[in-house]
This record gives sequence, structure tokens and C-alpha cells, in this order.
Amino acid sequence: DTGVSQNPRHKITKRGQNVTFRCDPISEHNRLYWYRQTLGQGPEFLTYFQNEAQLEKSRLLSDRFSAERPKGSFSTLEIQRTEQGDSAMYLCASSLALRELMDEQFFGPGTRLTVL
Amino acid sequence: AQKVTQAQTEISVVEKEDVTLDCVYETRDTTYYLFWYKQPPSGELVFLIRRNSFDEQNEISGRYSWNFQKSTSSFNFTITASQVVDSAVYFCALSEAQDSGAGSYQLTFGKGTKLSVIP
Repeated sequence: DTGVSQNPRHKITKRGQNVTFRCDPISEHNRLYWYRQTLGQGPEFLTYFQNEAQLEKSRLLSDRFSAERPKGSFSTLEIQRTEQGDSAMYLCASSLALRELMDEQFFGPGTRLTVL
Repeated sequence: AQKVTQAQTEISVVEKEDVTLDCVYETRDTTYYLFWYKQPPSGELVFLIRRNSFDEQNEISGRYSWNFQKSTSSFNFTITASQVVDSAVYFCALSEAQDSGAGSYQLTFGKGTKLSVIP
């Protein structure tokens, strides 16, 4: 399977715990994105990497959230001191930027987080 | 600020009917990109089409067609002869591309239209 993969697929945690999600993009894709999707809504942008550099963070990304892409390949998204409002599907996407300024993003299956 | 409106929350059609999903967008940029994604019950978003703001030609791909009209800021999606497998949530999305190459290229999604095709 050469698509975007995410682990775990489901995570249930208690309020106040820390959680970490992993995203493996399509091989050789240089851009990686994180989105959050709540029930009945479209995905909302969280942050974006060009290779290993984190170039933009949404206002939705509070200081409890941190994302890394240490070697420009896989990425991790950590949420510290989880709150019930963090319950959502966390989606990762990747793209390959060549000549086009805006290339299509390919999404992974997501990690569904439930905070009790 | 960019915004995407999908006014149709849910649509139900009988198999083999044609159906059009509406998408209206707002942007102040002259260069932007529009997308449609499909999210089946399994949950994974599937890319369908990308269109840049300089290309207003309509596109047809099998049973799918897209009508891009800058004059009305719309990018509508039509499925011809719908099938049960078309049942999904469809999202329209917009990105305001940065000519300098320093932009984030984030997608702004609409709230989606849930399409149910009844056999």
C-alpha cells in the first residue's frame, strides 16, 4: 500500500492524558498537512510542513498541540493534557509540489480520538 | 478570508438519476484552486478534481462533470446516472495559492453534502 498511513486508527483516552499520533506520507511527498474533522463538518487545517520545516500553524493549534516532522518523512502530532473538546478525527495529508503552486493533497484514513 | 459554502446538507436520489452538488466560494485572490473530495462511509477522503482559477473549462470524467463559473463564484459537481456506490459525503475545498511559494497551501473545506443514492 503506497498511500498515506496513520496510526493508531482509534484512540480512547482520559481527559488530561497525552496522546501522540503518527502519519507516514506517500513516499517522496515533500508537503505534509494535519487537519481536524469533527462530526458533520469539513476538515479544518491545523498545520503544514514543507520537508522538515513547519511553515504554518492554524489558530486552532493551541499550545497543547505540537507537531514534528524530524527527517522530512513521517510526522507526529502530540496533544498534551487532552480535553473533551479535542475529540475528533485527525487527518493527515501529503502532496508533491513540483511545478504547480497548489497540488492535490492525498489523505490518510485518519485517527479518531475520543477523550472521556 | 476564504470561505466555501455548500448549501445542500443532504440529498437523496434514486439510482440512475442525475444529481448536482452546489459549491459557492469566496476569495479575494485572483489565483486560487478549487477541489472536490469524496468521503465514503469508510471515512477516507478521496481526491476527485483540482481546478485553478485561470481554467474555466468544464471537465467531464466518466459519469462526473464539473461546472466552474467565476462570474458566480461557483464550482458545481454533477453525477450522471447515479449509483449506490456514489453514496458519500462530498466536500468542495478552496486554496488561495501564494505566488511567492511561501504560502501554506491549506485547504478550506465546505461543510459537505451527504449524498444518498437509493437503489
